[in-house]
Amino acid sequence: RKEVEQDPGPFNVPEGATVAFNCTYSNSASQSFFWYRQDCRKEPKLLMSVYSSGNEDGRFTAQLNRASQYISLLIRDSKLSDSATYLCVVNGANTGNQFYFGTGTSLTVIP
Amino acid sequence: DGGITQSPKYLFRKEGQNVTLSCEQNLNHDAMYWYRQDPGQGLRLIYYSQIVNDFQKGDIAEGYSVSREKKESFPLTVTSAQKNPTAFYLCASSITPTGAYNEQFFGPGTRLTVL
Repeated sequence: RKEVEQDPGPFNVPEGATVAFNCTYSNSASQSFFWYRQDCRKEPKLLMSVYSSGNEDGRFTAQLNRASQYISLLIRDSKLSDSATYLCVVNGANTGNQFYFGTGTSLTVIP
Repeated sequence: DGGITQSPKYLFRKEGQNVTLSCEQNLNHDAMYWYRQDPGQGLRLIYYSQIVNDFQKGDIAEGYSVSREKKESFPLTVTSAQKNPTAFYLCASSITPTGAYNEQFFGPGTRLTVL
């Protein structure tokens, strides 16, 4: 079983729509959770850390469900500039801060 | 400007040759990492280093080697023993090796193509 699993999409949504991505992880001892954004042929960039109580940053909301071992990312009022691949990242709960990356969910926002 | 730099951006090599990818950071981060990314796959960890003069194998270390002689630098050598080296290589760093919410920050990457 993979450490992190995501629906690869693609998600094609109109501007202004709300879209949600889910991600499941296998290691119940994981402590750190993140969403990264990756544009085509570029490096991943940190979008949000995911805290136990959930957190919001403008149009983006991240939530963690430890009981079901999944994290989610909600994007409201989608912009064309939100088009990218969104990577779910979970740490391995071991030394060295090893991260495990999902394969990413592709989002295209359509005018 | 603080950040992580990788060079070169594109690299071509002939089969059977070793090649070294550069990674430098001026963020004063203790930990550094090397990943490779292949189409349709998540990033996979090659090597990581928590402190100078120490490094650990990741999930796919075979055919690669690293050194960490300086805090700022973590070069990766792709040897001829690596069976399928064509990939996008990403270097990352974090403030400390462990701890919750310890984000990793990435360099711009090097695209290696073996001809």
